Amino acid sequence: EAGVTQSPTHLIKTRGQQATLRCSPISGHTSVYWYQQALGLGLQFLLWYDEGEERNRGNFPPRFSGRQFPNYSSELNVNALELEDSALYLCASSFEDRFTDTQYFGPGTRLTVL
Amino acid sequence: KNEVEQSPQNLTAQEGEFITINCSYSVGISALHWLQQHPGGGIVSLFMLSSGKKKHGRLIATINIQEKHSSLHITASHPRDSAVYICAVLSNSGNTPLVFGKGTRLSVIA
Repeated sequence: EAGVTQSPTHLIKTRGQQATLRCSPISGHTSVYWYQQALGLGLQFLLWYDEGEERNRGNFPPRFSGRQFPNYSSELNVNALELEDSALYLCASSFEDRFTDTQYFGPGTRLTVL
Repeated sequence: KNEVEQSPQNLTAQEGEFITINCSYSVGISALHWLQQHPGGGIVSLFMLSSGKKKHGRLIATINIQEKHSSLHITASHPRDSAVYICAVLSNSGNTPLVFGKGTRLSVIA
């Protein structure tokens, strides 16, 4: 069974540009979670999608947005990039639509903003 | 003060040692996760606990809801256990349902 996949592996952008990160969950999983892991800050919850809807979002500005497609894959968009957006962005999926279910993580996309 | 505190921040152990990593939290929770992150960045979910104790192989996780504390134990540690171990709590208050500790970096030396 294929795990959670993310693309691209690395992404380099300049300040003010937009970044799009993609995630494909494990087959059969309907919930997708996005996390940011910035250097020295640890993991922070960004967004949670289930059945195509945004269920919850963390304490991030509106320029962080995303969506979930009918096939449950998801996209994270970051507009007006700032230097501090440089981080590892991790996607996870779960079978059940609740945080108490086991989450399976993808390998991450490392975003560098210059 | 962070809502989730882990200790120690860094830990070096000799192969075979018994290891304990601690997690204390200040918010009300409905569940707690232990995660393992390897140097390449990949994260594996080890345990999800809401009470008591769970065991998987050489790993044991315990939680005391009253004391707001959880521990992750590794018996007979091995160099392949070297990783960052992250505690995350499912908060039942506030806007952010999942709050993470900063992790404990474990190095096991042969």
